[in-house]
Amino acid sequence: LAKTTQPISMDSYEGQEVNITCSHNNIATNDYITWYQQFPSQGPRFIIQGYKTKVTNEVASLFIPADRKSSTLSLPRVSLSDTAVYYCLVGDAGAGSYQLTFGKGTKLSVIP
Amino acid sequence: DVKVTQSSRYLVKRTGEKVFLECVQDMDHENMFWYRQDPGLGLRLIYFSYDVKMKEKGDIPEGYSVSREKKERFSLILESASTNQTSMYLCASSLRRLGSNEQFFGPGTRLTVL
Repeated sequence: LAKTTQPISMDSYEGQEVNITCSHNNIATNDYITWYQQFPSQGPRFIIQGYKTKVTNEVASLFIPADRKSSTLSLPRVSLSDTAVYYCLVGDAGAGSYQLTFGKGTKLSVIP
Repeated sequence: DVKVTQSSRYLVKRTGEKVFLECVQDMDHENMFWYRQDPGLGLRLIYFSYDVKMKEKGDIPEGYSVSREKKERFSLILESASTNQTSMYLCASSLRRLGSNEQFFGPGTRLTVL
């Protein structure tokens, strides 16, 4: 079972780019890497998913090196509303696998 | 939009009581999950179901059981609640499709066991 490690917290000023890295040394061949955002009193919300290289959508980019032992979520030009906890998830529930590992989350605080 | 609803936002129970947490999703998803979330520990998978009547244990199944009699409903049961089961419980659902990890979460149930 892949174990994931993330920084506990990060601070950033508004308008800056923020990069949050997740380590997952034991990632399996079939595992995908998924990132979620969670606001207080809400369930997590899907942000982005990838398998290798780089994935970009309208809110974030995900960088995955060739060895796949880590991944970096990049949030461009953060605003106060990006203050939240960010989780990485390793696994493939779509394949019927219950071998899913969430990181403990990174609390991002955006400062005016 | 996918909607995942949980029966209660807040619940207070006494030690030894049998507790039922209900979750319903409206998007015909095959997969459903129950997690608990505790400060400093993140989300931990309790049980996972990939089809009606099918279930798999997650990381922390002890003290819990589940029921999935219909595709849209997944119930978490605490047979005899204990104080160490005080936590936030989150239900989620997703498609059963290779490479699809987009889980849709409910708002959570904050359970307090006295």
